[in-house]
Amino acid sequence: QQPVQSPQAVILREGEDAVINCSSSKALYSVHWYRQKHGEAPVFLMILLKGGEQKGHEKISASFNEKKQQSSLYLTASQLSYSGTYFCGTAGSGNTGKLIFGQGTTLQVKP
Amino acid sequence: KAGVTQTPRYLIKTRGQQVTLSCSPISGHRSVSWYQQTPGQGLQFLFEYFSETQRNKGNFPGRFSGRQFSNSRSEMNVSTLELGDSALYLCASSPTNNEQFFGPGTRLTVL
Repeated sequence: QQPVQSPQAVILREGEDAVINCSSSKALYSVHWYRQKHGEAPVFLMILLKGGEQKGHEKISASFNEKKQQSSLYLTASQLSYSGTYFCGTAGSGNTGKLIFGQGTTLQVKP
Repeated sequence: KAGVTQTPRYLIKTRGQQVTLSCSPISGHRSVSWYQQTPGQGLQFLFEYFSETQRNKGNFPGRFSGRQFSNSRSEMNVSTLELGDSALYLCASSPTNNEQFFGPGTRLTVL
């Protein structure tokens, strides 16, 4: 089943913070976060693995609550370049070749 | 390292035709996954290949097929095209059970 992302859209001013949530009804092995700008391919941001391992960009952080099957992406001191659509992709097993993506959260950062 | 490359970037076909899309993964990556992206359905998983074997399959009809070669390059084929097959087709490569890196995609338009 498709994970549910919230909010669907958010508008920020430069320097403000945002949190994007991803919730699944199935047990998760890993959560992957991507950002996609219009007309471009999704860009990898972060992967969170069961057991606590994380890999990703320094300026972006995320959490993964395995018991609640939820993940949150934290964007602090947002910049104009953060604008885009954020997707979470979930994998239910150690084989992460199959990701089920949420519907996306559109983030717009204004000057 | 060069990124994931996909060819062609744009394609226009008519209903009933068939199409073959190509994906060259990042050097050393053995897993290639394919996704379909449409405004209505979002990012949907098609299939994943690892070491020339299909390891995962999504919920798409048999008209969608793929294969992987010994050099990890992958192709996907869609036969008997329908209007609803118009989409951005993305491939992503991964070292193994890890983050996926997306190519620029092939924009398919079916008339």
